[in-house]
Formats: sequence, C-alpha cells, structure tokens
Amino acid sequence: DTGVSQDPRHKITKRGQNVTFRCDPISEHNRLYWYRQTLGQGPEFLTYFQNEAQLEKSRLLSDRFSAERPKGSFSTLEIQRTEQGDSAMYLCASSLGRGSFGGELFFGEGSRLTVL
Amino acid sequence: AQKVTQAQTEISVVEKEDVTLDCVYETRDTTYYLFWYKQPPSGELVFLIRRNSFDEQNEISGRYSWNFQKSTSSFNFTITASQVVDSAVYFCALSPNTGNQFYFGTGTSLTVIP
Repeated sequence: DTGVSQDPRHKITKRGQNVTFRCDPISEHNRLYWYRQTLGQGPEFLTYFQNEAQLEKSRLLSDRFSAERPKGSFSTLEIQRTEQGDSAMYLCASSLGRGSFGGELFFGEGSRLTVL
Repeated sequence: AQKVTQAQTEISVVEKEDVTLDCVYETRDTTYYLFWYKQPPSGELVFLIRRNSFDEQNEISGRYSWNFQKSTSSFNFTITASQVVDSAVYFCALSPNTGNQFYFGTGTSLTVIP
C-alpha cells in the first residue's frame, strides 16, 4: 500500500505528557498537511509543508504544537504538555501541487489522541 | 472569509432511493476549487471529486453526480439508487487559489437502510 500512513493509530496519554505523531506521505507528493478533526466536525487546518518548508500555520496551532518535515519526506507533529482539549483525530494528508493549485488531498487513516 | 456550509447534519434513506447532499460555500476569490470527500466508518477520508470555479459543467460518475452552480454558490452531490455501502459522512470542501488551506464543512452523515 503506497497511500498516506500515520503512526500511531491510537494514543492515550495523561494530561501534561508529550506526544508525537508521524506521517509518511505518498512518496511523490510535495505537499503535506496536518488537520485536526473532532467528533461531528469537519477537518480543521493546522499546518502545511511544501517539501521541507513549513509555509503556513493556523492560529489554532498553539505554541505547544510543533511540526517538522525534515528532508521533505515524512513529518512529525508533536504536542507538548497535552491538555484534555487536545483530544481529537489528527489527520495527515499529502498532495502533488502544481503551480498555484495544491492538488487534491489524500488522507491517512488518522491518529486518534485521547488525553485523560 | 472562506466558509462551507452543509446544512444537513444527518440523512437516512432506504436502499435504492436517490439522495442529494447540499453544499453552499462562501469565498471572495474568483478562482477556487471545490471538493467532495467521503469518510466511511473506518475513518479515512476518501477523495471523490474536484471542480474548479471556471467549470460549471455538471458531472456524472456512475451513481454519483455533482451540480455546481456559481450563481447560488452551491455544489450539490447526488447519489442515485443508494446502496448500504454509501453509508458514510460526506464532506464538502473549498480551496481558494490564494492559499493552500482546505475549508471543510461539518459533514452530512448518510445512512442507507437496507
């Protein structure tokens, strides 16, 4: 399977702990996105990379959140000092952008975070 | 401001009925893209279709069809002869050409009853 893969699929942690999620995009895709989805809502944009450069961050992304995409391949999303409000599904998506059009997003299965 | 509204929260239909999912969007951009995604119970969002703002032709793909009307800022999705496997949450999304974000609606949960 050469789709977007995310790890871990589920993470349960205690409030105050740090968690890290990994995303491996489709190999030829140059763009990588992180979204967050809570129950009954659509995905909300968190951040976006073009190759290794983080080009856009949502105001939703507090200082406790950091994302990297070293070498323009896989990406990690770290949440420090987790809070119960961070409980959500964290979705990674990738696309092949051409010019100004970012391309349609291809999503992974998500990483579900539960903060106790 | 960019916004997508899916007013239908939940829809139930009996198998083989037709069903239309509504999507209304707001944007000041003249160039933008509209999408529909399907999220089955397994959770992974699956891309269904993309339209750009200059192409108002309706599209049919098997049992699926899409009606894009700029005059009413709508991009509706119809499933004909619905099947149980169509049960999922369907999201409409907007991506303006000026940015790289996708703006998703809150989704419509479709249940097809056998």
